[in-house]
Amino acid sequence: QVHLVESGGGLVKPGGSLRLSCAASGFSVRDYYMGWIRQAPGKGLEWVSYITRDTSTIYCADSVKGRFTISRDNANNSVSLQMHSLRAEDTAVYYCVRDLAWNVDSWGLGTLVTVSS
Amino acid sequence: QTVVTQEPSVTVSPGGTVTLTCASSTGAVTSDFYPNWFQQKPGQAPRSLIYRTSNRHSWTPARFSGFLLGGKAALTLSGVQPEDEAEYYCMLYFGSPQPWVFGGGTKLTVL
Repeated sequence: QVHLVESGGGLVKPGGSLRLSCAASGFSVRDYYMGWIRQAPGKGLEWVSYITRDTSTIYCADSVKGRFTISRDNANNSVSLQMHSLRAEDTAVYYCVRDLAWNVDSWGLGTLVTVSS
Repeated sequence: QTVVTQEPSVTVSPGGTVTLTCASSTGAVTSDFYPNWFQQKPGQAPRSLIYRTSNRHSWTPARFSGFLLGGKAALTLSGVQPEDEAEYYCMLYFGSPQPWVFGGGTKLTVL
């Protein structure tokens, strides 16, 4: 059974950093595109970043480019999102997802990131 | 900036049928946009319903159908159940440089 479990969220001051992790089970992250989607309180869904199977392509939304970095650890079957220079507008629930050929089929429960002084 | 547009809210009676749509600011939506549909209930993570226009996941009830309609992606719910009350999001693929874009979501009320 497929499971995605996010961790690493919390309260951080503006300008601070956080590292989110997504532990996968029931499949190998090396076989899928993996990504992060966020949802600000009371708002819709927004793609943040994704990484292809061979890591040849990494996409980052303009809103996070240069501040967020996605990475994959095939040995530990996990994906991470390193976030720097956090802003109030980065406050959101961050979901880890997997995508196989234009099929985003699995979501984690999400981890809440709050950026506030 | 590419915009994907959905109806903000729709109301349907139990047992009824409703169609939600998903339009692109770039023009007609085709199968090359690989439409995905998601359902989100309050306090829960989104759940995938439909991928690549019309394919159901193994857990997607048969009353949910995805297709293309009049240049838009569409999601029809037939025989609506009270538990279908939720927010529904579509997502379209645009390739580089902004691969996936979500619609703003449709709040479906079953009343």
